[in-house]
Amino acid sequence: QKEVEQDPGPLSVPEGAIVSLNCTYSNSAFQYFMWYRQYSRKGPELLMYTYSSGNKEDGRFTAQVDKSSKYISLFIRDSQPSDSATYLCAMSPGGSNYKLTFGKGTLLTVNP
Amino acid sequence: EPEVTQTPSHQVTQMGQEVILRCVPISNHLYFYWYRQILGQKVEFLVSFYNNEISEKSEIFDDQFSVERPDGSNFTLKIRSTKLEDSAMYFCASIGGAGQPQHFGDGTRLSIL
Repeated sequence: QKEVEQDPGPLSVPEGAIVSLNCTYSNSAFQYFMWYRQYSRKGPELLMYTYSSGNKEDGRFTAQVDKSSKYISLFIRDSQPSDSATYLCAMSPGGSNYKLTFGKGTLLTVNP
Repeated sequence: EPEVTQTPSHQVTQMGQEVILRCVPISNHLYFYWYRQILGQKVEFLVSFYNNEISEKSEIFDDQFSVERPDGSNFTLKIRSTKLEDSAMYFCASIGGAGQPQHFGDGTRLSIL
């Protein structure tokens, strides 16, 4: 079983739609969970950062972590064409170990 | 907003040559990382660096790789004798302190001919 699994898509939605992206993981030691957005030929840009289980909201973005199910989600409300990018989930154990394990990324296209 | 900067943006090198990829992490950050992303694949951890020494390295980070923080601002990744399979995007990242998220540079695209 891969350590972090993410549906690569591609996912295509109309402008204004609610987008749901998710990842599953197998390592119960993961404590820190991140979502990054990556445009073509660019570095990962931090969107959301959560510790342990729970929800976090920032503008149109909501991140959810369910450690009991080893499942994390990112919701994008009122999606815009500028949201078109690859979305990467990443996680780390914390403590003295902050190296990130990434999912493969989901390619999202928001059509005007 | 402070950012991680990487140079060059694109490096083309003949197989067997040495390359040095450069990174300037965010000022006052303490933990430094290199990752790579082969085209179409996931971002993979290479090495972490803290307190002027390697704290962890992956299986990818073999004897051909080395890292250095030669001064208070730069963080470099050296590949001694490049191979075709070293062609990838290389990303530098840094963290300000324990429990904080990693911030990435825009990467160096390394092409080995």
